[in-house]
Amino acid sequence: GENVEQHPSTLSVQEGDSAVIKCTYSDSASNYFPWYKQELGKRPQLIIDIRSNVGEKKDQRIAVTLNKTAKHFSLHITETQPEDSAVYFCAATNDYKLSFGAGTTVTVRA
Amino acid sequence: GAGVSQSPSNKVTEKGKDVELRCDPISGHTALYWYRQSLGQGLEFLIYFQGNSAPDKSGLPSDRFSAERTGGSVSTLTIQRTQQEDSAVYLCASSQNTGMDTQYFGPGTRLTVL
Repeated sequence: GENVEQHPSTLSVQEGDSAVIKCTYSDSASNYFPWYKQELGKRPQLIIDIRSNVGEKKDQRIAVTLNKTAKHFSLHITETQPEDSAVYFCAATNDYKLSFGAGTTVTVRA
Repeated sequence: GAGVSQSPSNKVTEKGKDVELRCDPISGHTALYWYRQSLGQGLEFLIYFQGNSAPDKSGLPSDRFSAERTGGSVSTLTIQRTQQEDSAVYLCASSQNTGMDTQYFGPGTRLTVL
């Protein structure tokens, strides 16, 4: 089955700086890669996703890049704000069964 | 519209007891998923329902776990003879069609087995 590894496990950034989270996956057939944000005590919420037919997608301060050859994808958050503090999960699938990374706890320091 | 809802929000039980967790998906969503989130871990796939098709139970960790979905809507996850290692947050999600659609998560049920 699919195995997704996520790094780093924790990330502390100064407000206004950028944050980058990286994930690798094992199944070359995977073609859908969503990112979820989970605030403390809340449900995971989709923040951005990318499909294998594109290499990059951007939505305001958030962008995701995908390298299918190397089997890795990354989340980039620019101009970080305190409300960006949360746990971020990457996931991968080629059907319906999402395989999740272990998560990255992002703390934005004011 | 209303999102995915789950009940109860918290459940404390004694080892060996059975528990039932409920999920109400978004109206009109044909796909429903159960995941388990252990402390500090990612989400672990448990089971998938799609319309009237046979469910994919490949993620259920043991035969003590079962789930059903009645009428293509509400789903119940049942854990029999609970063990301490079953303690986790159980999350339900639904999507409009297949898993390639956005999966919307419920708030979860935090299960604690004493």
